[in-house]
Amino acid sequence: AQSVTQPDIHITVSEGASLELRCNYSYGATPYLFWYVQSPGQGLQLLLKYFSGDTLVQGIKGFEAEFKRSQSSFNLRKPSVHWSDAAEYFCAVSAYAGGTSYGKLTFGQGTILTVHP
Amino acid sequence: ETGVTQTPRHLVMGMTNKKSLKCEQHLGHNAMYWYKQSAKKPLELMFVYSLEERVENNSVPSRFSPECPNSSHLFLHLHTLQPEDSALYLCASSQVLGAYGNTIYFGEGSWLTVV
Repeated sequence: AQSVTQPDIHITVSEGASLELRCNYSYGATPYLFWYVQSPGQGLQLLLKYFSGDTLVQGIKGFEAEFKRSQSSFNLRKPSVHWSDAAEYFCAVSAYAGGTSYGKLTFGQGTILTVHP
Repeated sequence: ETGVTQTPRHLVMGMTNKKSLKCEQHLGHNAMYWYKQSAKKPLELMFVYSLEERVENNSVPSRFSPECPNSSHLFLHLHTLQPEDSALYLCASSQVLGAYGNTIYFGEGSWLTVV
């Protein structure tokens, strides 16, 4: 079964610093990968996704993520964090299980980002 | 604005009440989903509808009853809930069923508190 691990439950950075949020997945073939962001009291907003092609994916709000097959990782990065980036970030993976199944979305536990001024 | 609208945003109900959560998508999608988000637990998929037919009931207790009258609307009917059902309920939709090469879009969520 597919699984997603976000090793960091909580990360704190200073405003203007760079950011990297880690995500590792477990799946035999190439999965489809997503990062969502959830601001306090809000739903999930799609930041970016990887389906195929260039392994470096650009998203909204200045975020990017790199798919590394050899490391089974899809880490999210931002060169300079803004206070408004404080939120919870979820990595998710979808994979086809064969037969009549459909691509279910499996989420990681989430990483809470705190930004210090 | 994600194109998926949920009402009410906040709901407080007693354990003997009957209430409903409503979701409407304005994206022309054919699949809709209910997820539950509890504190310190991963998002849990509850129900899935494709072309108004239920394709998944993820072992959800019968006190939660979904309804999909058309491809744009999804309801979650609630009755005799327990305090542990207090959570954020997220509605989502996608162009076709599943997230395999397809994107799922989420609403803002409905915060449910059972007292």
